Amino acid sequence: GAVVSQHPSRVICKSGTSVKIECRSLDFQATTMFWYRQFPKKSLMLMATSNEGSKATYEQGVEKDKFLINHASLTLSTLTVTSAHPEDSSFYICSARLAGSRGMNEQFFGPGTRLTVL
Amino acid sequence: GESVGLHLPTLSVQEGDNSIINCAYSNSASDYFIWYKQESGKGPQFIIDIRSNLDKRQGQRVTVLLNKTVKHLSLQIAATQPGDSAVYFCAENMRWGYSTLTFGKGTMLLVSP
Repeated sequence: GAVVSQHPSRVICKSGTSVKIECRSLDFQATTMFWYRQFPKKSLMLMATSNEGSKATYEQGVEKDKFLINHASLTLSTLTVTSAHPEDSSFYICSARLAGSRGMNEQFFGPGTRLTVL
Repeated sequence: GESVGLHLPTLSVQEGDNSIINCAYSNSASDYFIWYKQESGKGPQFIIDIRSNLDKRQGQRVTVLLNKTVKHLSLQIAATQPGDSAVYFCAENMRWGYSTLTFGKGTMLLVSP
């Protein structure tokens, strides 16, 4: 089956630093990747939609200068949390949509990255 | 039984029982729905999906029911096993073919041996 990986799985950083999270589709090409954040015991909230070779589309209330998204290839998208603060601590999850697919079940989720900002 | 915690409703069942997890979706224009299972510290895992032209769809040990009149979705798990313990989310999509999903609040399923 289609596998999506994220790196790192956990990261702890100091307030004010930047953190980059990678999302890779390992055995398929993904024209679209999605970034979500999830607080404890809460649901997934879509942050942005990332299309290969173009600018990401951010959801309302998500600061694009704070959460930089790059989707340089069909298998890699990165999310950079700039000048991180404790309130950015969360579980960040990416998903990847199979290139050429039209159905929803071709969207595959990564294992998530736990970010803790001290 | 079912209890509603501060943030996440919890359904506790015994192994072998049938479980029913409910979800009220928000948008009457949504035409595609998915149930996901999320284990602690992991990403969501696809379970089953249904389009709005159906009211029932069955998979292996799971059945999804859709009631568009009251905007209600349910997931039935037959012969629940301890490995089914997880948080279950429903997700809706407004237009078939477009990937943006809106997730529901989630229900934690706890299965006792």
